[in-house]
Amino acid sequence: GAVVSQHPSRVICKSGTSVKIECRSLDFQATTMFWYRQFPKQSLMLMATSNEGSKATYEQGVEKDKFLINHASLTLSTLTVTSAHPEDSSFYICSARDPARWETQYFGPGTRLLVL
Amino acid sequence: DQQVKQNSPSLSVQEGRISILNCDYTNSMFDYFLWYKKYPAEGPTFLISISSIKDKNEDGRFTVFLNKSAKHLSLHIVPSQPGDSAVYFCAAGGYQKVTFGTGTKLQVIP
Repeated sequence: GAVVSQHPSRVICKSGTSVKIECRSLDFQATTMFWYRQFPKQSLMLMATSNEGSKATYEQGVEKDKFLINHASLTLSTLTVTSAHPEDSSFYICSARDPARWETQYFGPGTRLLVL
Repeated sequence: DQQVKQNSPSLSVQEGRISILNCDYTNSMFDYFLWYKKYPAEGPTFLISISSIKDKNEDGRFTVFLNKSAKHLSLHIVPSQPGDSAVYFCAAGGYQKVTFGTGTKLQVIP
């Protein structure tokens, strides 16, 4: 299957700092990428849909000024957690939509964020 | 509002036997249903999907059944193998968005 990479895999930062997470589709062009957040023993919660060349669409309750999403190319989307606080500590996972099968997403390995 | 529910958080099955994972949903407008498999510290990997216009889809050892009247789908794994041990998420949605269940942890005992 298609490969999606995510970097970094783990990050620890101080409260108040900003953290950028990169999501790359390595062997296909992804016009649509998704950002999810997963709390322990809970489901993947969709945060936003990222479309190349346009503004991201955020889910209800997700602060767009706090979680900045940029999808400047067909292979890269970034999520920046601005002024991170301990409650932002979570597992963040991106995915890219399969251009040939719209119902299928390929997921990155995830980024574990810990805010101290 | 949990639109996709997996009521069994865990399941243990003997190697070689059938594993049946269940999922219920509330939104009759979902176009597609999918199953993903997830290992610890990794992202989910796509396993199998089924369109809302079908009631069965099979791929090797994996079969997904859809019962629209009951708003229920299930994943059958036959025969189960130790490498199948993982968390399985069902998901449902359409072009704009997919909603995931909370997952069922499957353990296949050798």
